[in-house]
Amino acid sequence: DGGITQSPKYLFRKEGQNVTLSCEQNLNHDAMYWYRQDPGQGLRLIYYSQIVNDFQKGDIAEGYSVSREKKESFPLTVTSAQKNPTAFYLCASSRGMASPDYEQYFGPGTRLTVT
Amino acid sequence: AQKVTQAQTEISVVEKEDVTLDCVYETRDTTYYLFWYKQPPSGELVFLIRRNSFDEQNEISGRYSWNFQKSTSSFNFTITASQVVDSAVYFCALSDYNTDKLIFGTGTRLQVFP
Repeated sequence: DGGITQSPKYLFRKEGQNVTLSCEQNLNHDAMYWYRQDPGQGLRLIYYSQIVNDFQKGDIAEGYSVSREKKESFPLTVTSAQKNPTAFYLCASSRGMASPDYEQYFGPGTRLTVT
Repeated sequence: AQKVTQAQTEISVVEKEDVTLDCVYETRDTTYYLFWYKQPPSGELVFLIRRNSFDEQNEISGRYSWNFQKSTSSFNFTITASQVVDSAVYFCALSDYNTDKLIFGTGTRLQVFP
């Protein structure tokens, strides 16, 4: 089955540690995205990548880093510089806005708790 | 600036009632997409509909219907004869055509009671 996998579902870390969230897709999509969801605030874009080896900052990129070395993978690192890292993180992919059937497909999410 | 407003934070209805979720958007783009996504308690976002800015036809899919009106910058979503399984958070989103980004509203939590 084609789709997006995010692992793990729940992640716990101590303050001051970097942590990397995994996102893999087998939909052959060019574009991938990372969102953060906090209660009552909807989804906010952290980073996105429209093609391999290229990515752009979203609205709340500070304290996060990404890489896009393979089309299928778009890992997100939450660094110790992120002041409020506890949140629900969603990864998405799409064929790109130029596609006639454009939509973003979402993974199941990773709930990160930092104490 | 682009913006999506979902003024209804939470709506509670009894099963079989009809319910409308409001979405108002702001954009200067002439070409854009509007979306509705459903987020059940599991957390994953489920795509419901995409509407192109040049297509103002209303759409019906089973118990779901959407009313797109450019004159009022609204894209409202109606569930007819609601069911308990419709309980979820619903997000309206607007595309930024040039950057391939989606701008989400804050969501409306719908609770359908038996």
